Amino acid sequence: NAGVMQNPRHLVRRRGQEARLRCSPMKGHSHVYWYRQLPEEGLKFMVYLQKENIIDESGMPKERFSAEFPKEGPSILRIQQVVRGDSAAYFCASSQYGGRGNTEAFFGQGTRLTVV
Amino acid sequence: GENVEQHPSTLSVQEGDSAVIKCTYSDSASNYFPWYKQELGKRPQLIIDIRSNVGEKKDQRIAVTLNKTAKHFSLHITETQPEDSAVYFCAASIQGGKLIFGQGTELSVKP
Repeated sequence: NAGVMQNPRHLVRRRGQEARLRCSPMKGHSHVYWYRQLPEEGLKFMVYLQKENIIDESGMPKERFSAEFPKEGPSILRIQQVVRGDSAAYFCASSQYGGRGNTEAFFGQGTRLTVV
Repeated sequence: GENVEQHPSTLSVQEGDSAVIKCTYSDSASNYFPWYKQELGKRPQLIIDIRSNVGEKKDQRIAVTLNKTAKHFSLHITETQPEDSAVYFCAASIQGGKLIFGQGTELSVKP
């Protein structure tokens, strides 16, 4: 079991470009969560997805950010027209059951986005 | 809204001493409380967790306690070692499995 896989590990984008971050959950996990970690800060919840469904997007900025978890393939976090303030580490986590939170979440290595 | 407060923000101890980190949460519906260790530039790694039907859990040098009435939980590390140096995050799960994290505690263990 390869664990939660994120790619790329590092991503540099110029202001105004698009960033696409990918996350493949652990085998057998159907619940995916995205978190953002600004430098020297804690992790902030962004969005919770199951296959083909967004369950909770209460932490997503209203504009420029979107996420999907298609039937086939990895979950994608997409940031359009990036700005310097988007520079952060983006972590994906997966769990087997979700629900009322009675399950472990395993984190990927993260994608470190730098906007120049 | 949902909130988790964590203290202290930094903690420095001598090797062999104990370290205690405390968290409080706001939503009484929370029922799952994990602790993560994050080394510089790496992913958060689960070190211990506790569920709401248990008051205490121990795993070797690490223990966690939960007081549901007061809505707080604590991480205890005994016999600290330099390799315990890292940032520690508490979290609470409110609904749907999403985690609300505390602000983190930077633990430094001095040899």
